[in-house]
Amino acid sequence: DVKVTQSSRYLVKRTGEKVFLECVQDMDHENMFWYRQDPGLGLRLIYFSYDVKMKEKGDIPEGYSVSREKKERFSLILESASTNQTSMYLCASHTPHGRNTIYFGEGSWLTVV
Amino acid sequence: AQTVTQSQPEMSVQEAETVTLSCTYDTSESDYYLFWYKQPPSRQMILVIRQEAYKQQNATENRFSVNFQKAAKSFSLKISDSQLGDAAMYFCAYRVQGGKLIFGQGTELSVKP
Repeated sequence: DVKVTQSSRYLVKRTGEKVFLECVQDMDHENMFWYRQDPGLGLRLIYFSYDVKMKEKGDIPEGYSVSREKKERFSLILESASTNQTSMYLCASHTPHGRNTIYFGEGSWLTVV
Repeated sequence: AQTVTQSQPEMSVQEAETVTLSCTYDTSESDYYLFWYKQPPSRQMILVIRQEAYKQQNATENRFSVNFQKAAKSFSLKISDSQLGDAAMYFCAYRVQGGKLIFGQGTELSVKP
């Protein structure tokens, strides 16, 4: 089975801190995504990457950056965390081949105080 | 712009009864995919059912079926013989081939014993 692992499930950070959220997938998928989930807003795409060192902005990229140095790892970076970035963050991976299914991690709950 | 709308923030169904969750979307594409995802309290996203737009036949997975109306851009999910384990947040999602996955706002389904 495909596994998408988000190493940090629950984080509490202070305003202004730099925050790294890590995501690793084990199925050699080309595409990886970072979403943010908030009540009443569903999942909103922050950034996605379709290859190593390639990235594209999603719908809400402001305040975030990403890094994809290796195919299996896609990191979301909050350069200076703010309270309005308190949310749950979901990572996903996908390959356009085969069943074309998108696989999700278990989510990272981030609280910024 | 491509959008997905779920107009029912909450729904409730009696155990063993049938419930239908609504979803509409907006796109100018002709070839795309539609999905329903289930998110239980664990927050793990679980693929319930998928539909390729070029297929006229409605997808079915056991107790879950869809009513896909391409001209109306409607994609509703029917859950038959509802079970307590069906209680979750349900997300409708849309994706163009090679593109990003766009989600609706979600519908919280509760199942009454």
